[in-house]
Amino acid sequence: DTGVSQDPRHKITKRGQNVTFRCDPISEHNRLYWYRQTLGQGPEFLTYFQNEAQLEKSRLLSDRFSAERPKGSFSTLEIQRTEQGDSAMYLCASSLVGSGSPYEQYFGPGTRLTVT
Amino acid sequence: EDQVTQSPEALRLQEGESSSLNCSYTVSGLRGLFWYRQDPGKGPEFLFTLYSAGEEKEKERLKATLTKKESFLHITAPKPEDSATYLCAVLPTDGANNLFFGTGTRLTVIP
Repeated sequence: DTGVSQDPRHKITKRGQNVTFRCDPISEHNRLYWYRQTLGQGPEFLTYFQNEAQLEKSRLLSDRFSAERPKGSFSTLEIQRTEQGDSAMYLCASSLVGSGSPYEQYFGPGTRLTVT
Repeated sequence: EDQVTQSPEALRLQEGESSSLNCSYTVSGLRGLFWYRQDPGKGPEFLFTLYSAGEEKEKERLKATLTKKESFLHITAPKPEDSATYLCAVLPTDGANNLFFGTGTRLTVIP
């Protein structure tokens, strides 16, 4: 399968714990995006990378959230001191700038986070 | 402020009963409008990109159209396997590179 993959698919954690999610984009894609989706809502943008550079961050991304893409391939999203309001589906997407369809973003299956 | 509104929130159709989903948008300028399908517990699956008013795209029983203020997703003779949430998203021209999504239309097709 050459699509976007995410790990883990599900994570249950207690309030105050730190969690880290991983995203592997489509192999040749140079842009990688993180979104968050709560029940009944559309995905909301968190941040994106072009290669290893983090170019944009949403106001939704509090100081407890940090994302990295160290070698321009996979990315990690860490949430420190989790709160119940962090419970959501965390989605990763990738796209290829320079292709004929540079704006099309392809999503992974998501990581469902539950904070108890 | 950029805004995307989808209607109806939910739609129940009999198998074979054609209908349309609406996506109204307000942006300063549009680089692209996107339709995705999302099954429960899964990530959105890309369907179409539309770039300019008057453009149309088709895939099997789905056809997407675009005007200057809205987009329609027409579903012809739907089948139960078309049941899903359909999401609309816009990419504005104001320099941001993230998609703005609507809240989706939850479609149920009854056999």
